[in-house]
Amino acid sequence: GNSVTQMEGPVTLSEEAFLTINCTYTATGYPSLFWYVQYPGEGLQLLLKATKADDKGSNKGFEATYRKETTSFHLEKGSVQVSDSAVYFCALSGPQAGNNRKLIWGLGTSLAVNP
Amino acid sequence: EAQVTQNPRYLITVTGKKLTVTCSQNMNHEYMSWYRQDPGLGLRQIYYSMNVEVTDKGDVPEGYKVSRKEKRNFPLILESPSPNQTSLYFCASQGQRLIGTGELFFGEGSRLTVL
Repeated sequence: GNSVTQMEGPVTLSEEAFLTINCTYTATGYPSLFWYVQYPGEGLQLLLKATKADDKGSNKGFEATYRKETTSFHLEKGSVQVSDSAVYFCALSGPQAGNNRKLIWGLGTSLAVNP
Repeated sequence: EAQVTQNPRYLITVTGKKLTVTCSQNMNHEYMSWYRQDPGLGLRQIYYSMNVEVTDKGDVPEGYKVSRKEKRNFPLILESPSPNQTSLYFCASQGQRLIGTGELFFGEGSRLTVL
C-alpha cells in the first residue's frame, strides 16, 4: 500500500542555516505530494504541494521537488528563521477508497531553530 | 475569517464518562474528517463525512461515534472513553472545489486526557 517515510527528528539548526527534511514515498500510480506544517499549539496547514513528476512546490522560502525516479519529495529552505520552528509533515494522496479524501501521512519531523 | 473551530481545546476526563468534541467550519465545506495524532504513529483518520447525513469509518473508528446533521458541524463522540483514547484530536474540512487537491483545513486541535 501507499506509505510515506520521513527523516526522524528532532532537527535543531541555528538561524540562517540550510534546511533539508527528507521524505520518500511508496505509491501506485501518480500521487500528489504535500508538505504540511504544524506550528506550536496550532493545527496543520498546507505549506506546499506538487501534483506531478518534476513539479516544484514553493511557499514562504520553502521548496520541494517531486522526484519520481527517486520517489522523493524533500523539503528545503536556504536560510531558516526562528519562526520556522514547527513540526513538518510529508503526505501523499493517491487512489481513494470511495470518495474519502484521505491523505497518507509521514510521522512528522520536528524542527527547532535557535537564534 | 475562514476557520475550523474545535472545542474544547483541552480536556481531562475519567474512564467511562461520555464526552463530545465539537467541530464547526464556516466555509460551507462538504467534506469533514477527524484525525488523532499520537507520538510515533502520526496522524490517523477516525471518521469522515462526505456531506450531511453521510459518514464513514476511517482507519481507527473503534470507540468513537460521529454525526453530521448540519453541514457546518461534525462532532466526535466518545461514549465510554478509555485511557488509550488519550490523544490530540484534529478536525479537518475540504470544499467541493478542492476535491482531489489534498488541501485540508485543520482546526487547532483538542488535547484529550482520559484517566
